[in-house]
Amino acid sequence: GENVEQHPSTLSVQEGDSAVIKCTYSDSASNYFPWYKQELGKRPQLIIDIRSNVGEKKDQRIAVTLNKTAKHFSLHITETQPEDSAVYFCAATNSNSGYALNFGKGTSLLVTP
Amino acid sequence: NAGVTQTPKFQVLKTGQSMTLQCAQDMNHNSMYWYRQDPGMGLRLIYYSASEGTTDKGEVPNGYNVSRLNKREFSLRLESAAPSQTSVYFCASRIDSLNTEAFFGQGTRLTVV
Repeated sequence: GENVEQHPSTLSVQEGDSAVIKCTYSDSASNYFPWYKQELGKRPQLIIDIRSNVGEKKDQRIAVTLNKTAKHFSLHITETQPEDSAVYFCAATNSNSGYALNFGKGTSLLVTP
Repeated sequence: NAGVTQTPKFQVLKTGQSMTLQCAQDMNHNSMYWYRQDPGMGLRLIYYSASEGTTDKGEVPNGYNVSRLNKREFSLRLESAAPSQTSVYFCASRIDSLNTEAFFGQGTRLTVV
């Protein structure tokens, strides 16, 4: 099945700096790559996603890049704010397991004022 | 429009007891999933239902059973709870299998003593 690796497991940045989280996946058939943000005690919520026919997607301060050849994708957050502090999960999905999302283990991001 | 609703939100069980976690969605989604979340392990797929009338095992199905009661409801049953099943359980749904956002319930925090 699909194996998603996520790095780093923890990340601390100062407010205003950029944060980058990287993921790799194993199954070349994967074609959908969402990123979820989970605040403490809350449910995961989608913040951005990218499909395999696109190399980059941006939404205000958040961007995601995808390199299908290397089988890796990254989340970029610019001008970080304290409210960006949360756990971020990457995921990949393909036709196996009913297109279920296969998640990385998460990155705990702390933005200090 | 409530989205994905899980009950209960919290539960404490004794080893060997049984219980059923309920999940319902009102978005007319075809695919539903059960995940467990443990510290440092991300979200791991227990069972999924790609469409009404079908269910399949995910990554960690041992000790669990599921029922897709109808298009709206997907329940998870623990027949004989074990301390290793202490976790936060999330139900999720998607409109279909292809490249679409998964919506999560608010989670059930289960403790087995």
